[in-house]
Amino acid sequence: EVQLVQSGAEVKKPGESLKISCKGSGYTFTGYWIAWVRQMPGKGLEWMGIIYPGDSYTRYSPSFQGQVTISADKSINTAYLQWTSLKASDTAMYYCARHPKNRYNRFDPWGQGTLVTVSS
Amino acid sequence: QSVLTQPPSVSGAPGQRVTISCTGSSSNIGAGYDVHWYQQVPGTAPKLLIYDNTNRPSGVPDRFSGSKSGTSASLAISGLQAEDEADYYCQSFDSGLSGSVFGGGTKLAVL
Repeated sequence: EVQLVQSGAEVKKPGESLKISCKGSGYTFTGYWIAWVRQMPGKGLEWMGIIYPGDSYTRYSPSFQGQVTISADKSINTAYLQWTSLKASDTAMYYCARHPKNRYNRFDPWGQGTLVTVSS
Repeated sequence: QSVLTQPPSVSGAPGQRVTISCTGSSSNIGAGYDVHWYQQVPGTAPKLLIYDNTNRPSGVPDRFSGSKSGTSASLAISGLQAEDEADYYCQSFDSGLSGSVFGGGTKLAVL
């Protein structure tokens, strides 16, 4: 079974750094794009960017370029989303999701989500 | 606002049929990129409902169907059931952004 399992909820203070993870299993991790999607409280889904773990090629939404870093460690089948200096406005649920075909296509499956709360 | 436009809410009685529209432009749906639909029950991750405009993943009831024409797509749900209450999102690819785009989401209420 293809699965993406994300790291647990985080509570951080403004200005702190954070790295959350998404571990893939049940498929060849290096062969499929992984995306990160933000969902702010009570709001819709926003595409943040993608990574191809085979060569770590990344692409970011203009809205998130320079705000976050997407990376992957193919030796442990894990993708990451990180911040160097969190803001209260980063409070949201973050999902990872796999493109089963190519980066122009659907997302399936999704991780269970990681809730990030940034508060002083 | 979102690149793809959906109505904020729709509603219907049990057994009825509802449709949710998803309107894009010449750089996404109108450019020929496929449209996909997701169902998100509150407190859970989105789940793929329709892919490549009209296809249902294994396990999705045939009450759910999708269509696409020009710069728009639609999701139809027939024989509404209480368990269909959820948020529904359309998704496609945008050549201008060179990335995936979502609709703003539609909340379905089963009256």
